Amino acid sequence: QFALTQPPSVSEAPGQTVTISCSGATSNPGEKFVSWYQHFPGGTPKLLIHRDNEWPSGVSRRFSGSKSGTSASLAIRDLRPDDEATYYCAAWDASVRALVFGGGTKLTVL
Amino acid sequence: QVLLVQSGPEVKRPGASVKISCTTSGYRFVDYMIHWVRQAPGQGLEWLGMINPGVPRGDSAQRFEERLIITGDTSNTVYMELTSLRSDDTATYYCARDLSYMTAGFWGQGTLVTVSS
Repeated sequence: QFALTQPPSVSEAPGQTVTISCSGATSNPGEKFVSWYQHFPGGTPKLLIHRDNEWPSGVSRRFSGSKSGTSASLAIRDLRPDDEATYYCAAWDASVRALVFGGGTKLTVL
Repeated sequence: QVLLVQSGPEVKRPGASVKISCTTSGYRFVDYMIHWVRQAPGQGLEWLGMINPGVPRGDSAQRFEERLIITGDTSNTVYMELTSLRSDDTATYYCARDLSYMTAGFWGQGTLVTVSS
């Protein structure tokens, strides 16, 4: 199965925009849609983005997804201290019928 | 309102089995895949397997094929049974329902499984 690679950590100041990368996803949008999840320690993961760049109901538009070539990205604008969490990308690998998660990126809001 | 409610925490000895339930409500049970995902202490999210509730048994990730059984019943409940438990199976286990294709949009509250002698 393919692997999704994320940076272990990122940091940025409040009010700024941070981008988290997820490399390894195919460039074929119909083959491997990428989703993004937010996970606070002790909490339940929350879906932020699905189908590369679509928002589930109720998710803030401060979060946005994009994909270019074999990489996907999650951008979080207007950062707030309560955005501090671990963010995961994921994609379905149809060749082995498995949902693959990236290793997660811990966001620190300075 | 879509809800997934999981069974309570478990403590097991190495070599034993654990079976966790995930009871769903608020939608037509057979219309969406249910996934099982876990997070071990200090580790990331790991996908274990899934089930189409319209069929008796689900699919497991390759590394769990021999130890993981995912089933569903007619009471809108899905089960995950992990056998031959090891200490590194200690984790919080989540069930999650598809929102779009193979995207975990709705999550259970998690079930802590502790494997210890």
